[in-house]
This record gives sequence, C-alpha cells and structure tokens, in this order.
Amino acid sequence: EADIYQTPRYLVIGTGKKITLECSQTMGHDKMYWYQQDPGMELHLIHYSYGVNSTEKGDLSSESTVSRIRTEHFPLTLESARPSHTSQYLCASSEGSAPIVRSQYFGPGTRLTVL
Amino acid sequence: QKEVEQNSGPLSVPEGAIASLNCTYSDRGSQSFFWYRQYSGKSPELIMFIYSNGDKEDGRFTAQLNKASQYVSLLIRDSQPSDSATYLCAVSSNFGNEKLTFGTGTRLTIIP
Repeated sequence: EADIYQTPRYLVIGTGKKITLECSQTMGHDKMYWYQQDPGMELHLIHYSYGVNSTEKGDLSSESTVSRIRTEHFPLTLESARPSHTSQYLCASSEGSAPIVRSQYFGPGTRLTVL
Repeated sequence: QKEVEQNSGPLSVPEGAIASLNCTYSDRGSQSFFWYRQYSGKSPELIMFIYSNGDKEDGRFTAQLNKASQYVSLLIRDSQPSDSATYLCAVSSNFGNEKLTFGTGTRLTIIP
C-alpha cells in the first residue's frame, strides 16, 4: 500500500480565504501530481512535478499554485478561494522514468467546499 | 474524440459472473496502461498495469492489451459485490512526460 497523505481531508471555507492543501509521501518518489475531480466526473490534472524545484501546469487551467521544495512534500495553494473551486483534490506520486510510465499512487483526497 | 474512452455504464453483472470492461485510446504511441478502481467518495486505487501486448493476470483480474487496435480491457472473474465501483482506465502520454490521461470511468454494479 502506498504511503501518501493529504490534509485536511475535508475543508469548508468562505470566499476570499487563502488555503493550502497539504500532500506528503514517504516513498521517495520523484514525481508528484495534483488532480481535481468533481463527483461522478473524470480526473483532471492541474499540476505536476518531476522533482525538487520542478513544477508544471497540467491540462486543466487552475488558479492554484504549487511548490516542491522537498521531495516528499507537494502543497497546493489557492490565494483567494471561490465557490467554483469547490471540488475533490487528489494528490498522487510515482517513480520511474520515461518511456515506461510507472503507476501513480493516490492519497485519500481533500474535499473542499467554498461557501 | 476523447483521448481515452470508456463506456460510462452502468454495467450490471450477476455475482460470480465475469465482468468485462473496455477502454480505447487515441495516442498510438502510448506505452503504459493502467486500471484503477474508485469507490464512491474515495480516491482511485491501482488494480493492474500492463505494458506489453497480450494478457496479464493477477488473481481474479486479467488485463488485456492490443496496441494495434488501441484498446485495453479488464476482466474480473468470479465477480463479488465488493467489486461494485467505478473503474478508470489510464494511458500514458506519448511525449515521455509521464502524465496519465484518465477515461471517465465505467460504473460496475455486481448484482447478488
């Protein structure tokens, strides 16, 4: 079983607040990812990182930002939360290198509600 | 055309029968293929991965890959009620950037 953690698990917050969703993994994986998923819908990649000091935007435009200062830690920040940010946020990590893409392991997710 | 397509279901299968889930993809150069199971309200859980053409078996699960036809399937033998979930197909990008593209998932219901 993969060791990847997310906090908080649930967050209800008012519009305009700054929030940081935490993601940590203890597997030493270089690659980490953030996905957004609405109920019953597909996963959308919003950010990814291939290692320390490496971050890229994903396929879905997002107003969030990420940082990767340590291998094990990949926090996601929303500077000013809006109701449109209400969603489930999933963090994942993987090892390996192209061309063979290795499995991604997911954390438990953070369900964010912005009022 | 979506990059990864799955029948959204719901797919209903009697307990003990074989459930067959299919996925097609558009990127001919894709190298890695994954099946995830996602229970309602939970995060995706890796079930199988397959890199080469043919079949790969793990317990009650068999993944089948046909790169020429650009499809990958998942068979679940002796289906159990606990197999009821949404199954996500994921395919690697051809660009070597190690991103996965997920299908929308097939909702599977095992009928006792």
